[in-house]
Amino acid sequence: GESVGLHLPTLSVQEGDNSIINCAYSNSASDYFIWYKQESGKGPQFIIDIRSNMDKRQGQRVTVLLNKTVKHLSLQIAATQPGDSAVYFCAENGVAGNQFYFGTGTSLTVIP
Amino acid sequence: GAVVSQHPSWVICKSGTSVKIECRSLDFQATTMFWYRQFPKQSLMLMATSNEGSKATYEQGVEKDKFLINHASLTLSTLTVTSAHPEDSSFYICSATTRGQETQYFGPGTRLLVL
Repeated sequence: GESVGLHLPTLSVQEGDNSIINCAYSNSASDYFIWYKQESGKGPQFIIDIRSNMDKRQGQRVTVLLNKTVKHLSLQIAATQPGDSAVYFCAENGVAGNQFYFGTGTSLTVIP
Repeated sequence: GAVVSQHPSWVICKSGTSVKIECRSLDFQATTMFWYRQFPKQSLMLMATSNEGSKATYEQGVEKDKFLINHASLTLSTLTVTSAHPEDSSFYICSATTRGQETQYFGPGTRLLVL
């Protein structure tokens, strides 16, 4: 499968601060991306998605930015809360279109 | 909406036995289901893609005779780990999509421990 992301980084932020989680993808033909949140021992939970014809999409407290030139995605979480502590994965659709390949994830810890 | 369940949540088995994991879409028709494996502190690795009524498509390096996938209905897919060994111990997660949609909705995962 395609390679998305590198090693598993960790990020610690103070409660109330904004968080930025980054992801690199390798397949320039990918046209759909999703950010997932995974809490310990649970399955991934959909957060927000973006298509390649957009460079920014906003949700509730979250914003995804897409830079196709450098094949980079970021997830911004505003006013981070303790409940946001989890591992965050970006995923891109595969060559076949309906498969997704996941990056290695970023572990976010929110400090109360 | 878009709820996916898995059963069992946990399973412990002896080496050499086979284990079946079920994945169900509870409130939508899952035309495509996906099976992933996740080792501790690692990402999800796609194992196979299955379309309802068709044979599963396996990712490179995944043994189809060891990981049997059946997607006989629009709401149920099963993964059977045959002759399980300790190295098969992992967190197995399924996801599902419906026709015309790309977003995958994930089940809660099944933790398999092979002794």
